[in-house]
Amino acid sequence: AQTVTQSQPEMSVQEAETVTLSCTYDTSESDYYLFWYKQPPSRQMILVIRQEAYKQQNATENRFSVNFQKAAKSFSLKISDSQLGDAAMYFCAYRSRNFNKFYFGSGTKLNVKP
Amino acid sequence: NAGVMQNPRHLVRRRGQEARLRCSPMKGHSHVYWYRQLPEEGLKFMVYLQKENIIDESGMPKERFSAEFPKEGPSILRIQQVVRGDSAAYFCASSPPLAGGGSYEQYFGPGTRLTVT
Repeated sequence: AQTVTQSQPEMSVQEAETVTLSCTYDTSESDYYLFWYKQPPSRQMILVIRQEAYKQQNATENRFSVNFQKAAKSFSLKISDSQLGDAAMYFCAYRSRNFNKFYFGSGTKLNVKP
Repeated sequence: NAGVMQNPRHLVRRRGQEARLRCSPMKGHSHVYWYRQLPEEGLKFMVYLQKENIIDESGMPKERFSAEFPKEGPSILRIQQVVRGDSAAYFCASSPPLAGGGSYEQYFGPGTRLTVT
């Protein structure tokens, strides 16, 4: 079974600074999808960004970007110009191309200091 | 287009009672997934359903848990004879029909927080 590891239980960043959240995964598949979800205190899961494994170009969504290293099975999330509203739990997730269930990491709690 | 709806948002049950959690997928979505989130943990897959079919229930406990997605109405996750260890947040997600293994993400509901006393 695929596993997703987030080795940073908690991180802090100063407002307007940049922070990088780490994620590694283990799979024998060559085609899959990776996601970052944000979970604020409301507990609603919000999609932040996604990456198709067959695409070499790293995905970007406004202040959020990823560093996808397929050979290293690494998928980190960079948040630029951090804002107070970015404070939340962040979960990395893996989805096989042919199977619909997601595998989630244990999450990283991001604190943003004013 | 309304998002994924779950009710109730909070549910309190005594040990031994039954819990029924409901999920209405987004309009046009025919795939439903249930996940469980224990405190301080990530979401764990439980079951994947299409209308009237269970596609993958590899994450469901063997006893007391069942799920359905009838032709009409919401998907139901049913927990019989609840125990304290069942206390968790239960999330439902939905996705549209897949075409060629498309990259559709799953859209999550707000979750149901179950507390067993």
